[in-house]
Amino acid sequence: GAVVSQHPSWVICKSGTSVKIECRSLDFQATTMFWYRQFPKQSLMLMATSNEGSKATYEQGVEKDKFLINHASLTLSTLTVTSAHPEDSSFYICSAERGPSTDTQYFGPGTRLTVL
Amino acid sequence: AQSVTQPDIHITVSEGASLELRCNYSYGATPYLFWYVQSPGQGLQLLLKYFSGDTLVQGIKGFEAEFKRSQSSFNLRKPSVHWSDAAEYFCAVGEGYTGTASKLTFGTGTRLQVTL
Repeated sequence: GAVVSQHPSWVICKSGTSVKIECRSLDFQATTMFWYRQFPKQSLMLMATSNEGSKATYEQGVEKDKFLINHASLTLSTLTVTSAHPEDSSFYICSAERGPSTDTQYFGPGTRLTVL
Repeated sequence: AQSVTQPDIHITVSEGASLELRCNYSYGATPYLFWYVQSPGQGLQLLLKYFSGDTLVQGIKGFEAEFKRSQSSFNLRKPSVHWSDAAEYFCAVGEGYTGTASKLTFGTGTRLQVTL
């Protein structure tokens, strides 16, 4: 159990367009989901914490108007990269926490975004 | 602010040899510590975690880690490495459960290469 999926796994878009990435918890309800960004050969950097039914909490330095996060249900969170530019190209990873008492995150396989 | 240091960027071991991956953390209170493994095309998989209690933690795939408060370390070990263990390993520290989700801070990762 505790499977998290992401869609798409890979996306290429033109500069100036918006891209939506979905994160789903397949076999459990996740009141909290997290979005990370990983640069090549580097660590994961937390971008934002997403709670179902409320606004996301963004980390310092992350533009909330550029990276829109919606957590409309207990199994789905979306990250929309608006007006994407080449510097937004990265590997985006989501995770979901299974219940408020487990304190363990389960990670999706990631989405590779390439902005031309 | 919490931080994690993984001193070794890249380690190569022979199959069957023992393995130790180092992790040092900085955190004011009792840390929640994790080891994750990332294989190409797959999401981060939790190997083991330490919240409290016995300082020697057993995980999946034959891995174990020991929490040493005096050294601020949480090193990952495996007595006999298999070729399938080749991957990227991340140590992470969590803020701890306070009734809300735990934010994770990751180290920069250690890439393990296994020679036959």
